Amino acid sequence: DTEVTQTPKHLVMGMTNKKSLKCEQHMGHRAMYWYKQKAKKPPELMFVYSYEKLSINESVPSRFSPECPNSSLLNLHLHALQPEDSALYLCASSQDKAGIPYEQYFGPGTRLTVT
Amino acid sequence: AQTVTQSQPEMSVQEAETVTLSCTYDTSESDYYLFWYKQPPSRQMILVIRQEAYKQQNATENRFSVNFQKAAKSFSLKISDSQLGDAAMYFCAYRSGSTARAELFGKGITLSVRP
Repeated sequence: DTEVTQTPKHLVMGMTNKKSLKCEQHMGHRAMYWYKQKAKKPPELMFVYSYEKLSINESVPSRFSPECPNSSLLNLHLHALQPEDSALYLCASSQDKAGIPYEQYFGPGTRLTVT
Repeated sequence: AQTVTQSQPEMSVQEAETVTLSCTYDTSESDYYLFWYKQPPSRQMILVIRQEAYKQQNATENRFSVNFQKAAKSFSLKISDSQLGDAAMYFCAYRSGSTARAELFGKGITLSVRP
């Protein structure tokens, strides 16, 4: 199984809502990532989890809250978002064994629209 | 700080022809990895090819090959026998081998394939 799955595929939420994005992989990867991607732009790194611990937080606003319940799951909790947060949110995972950075496997993304 | 530059925003190629996508990078590190990722319209981002900086031999993956010029800090992607399914956005990416990071992406290039 070389797949990263993300749910939901599409999400429309108001600025006062609370919602969560979910990501799952069963490849035994110990590094997992959240990216934000605007149309025709490269992915922007938000968070990195390594061995279920948050290792990188790219100064993301607190209205985005990541969580890694176990080595296969990654969540992104959303609260009080702004319209400019509308984007494609990508999850990725990679092996990163023994300090060697392996390539990332990306999920299909969640298309988020904030109204 | 590292940088990745893709200066051509768009390119077009005739089906069955060869096209080269350019990428340059800047780093003071000696241990790093370079990647090309492909993101078709509304589809998942996938790895095309990977190059370790310590390897002199250029990576090849079927119709895809790279021209890695370490001294010039250049990492171009050659696509031979272009197919309609090659139409996508292509991102060049850099990753440090010595510090805990994720991929640093270039701005991307949109490749269209003419039938």
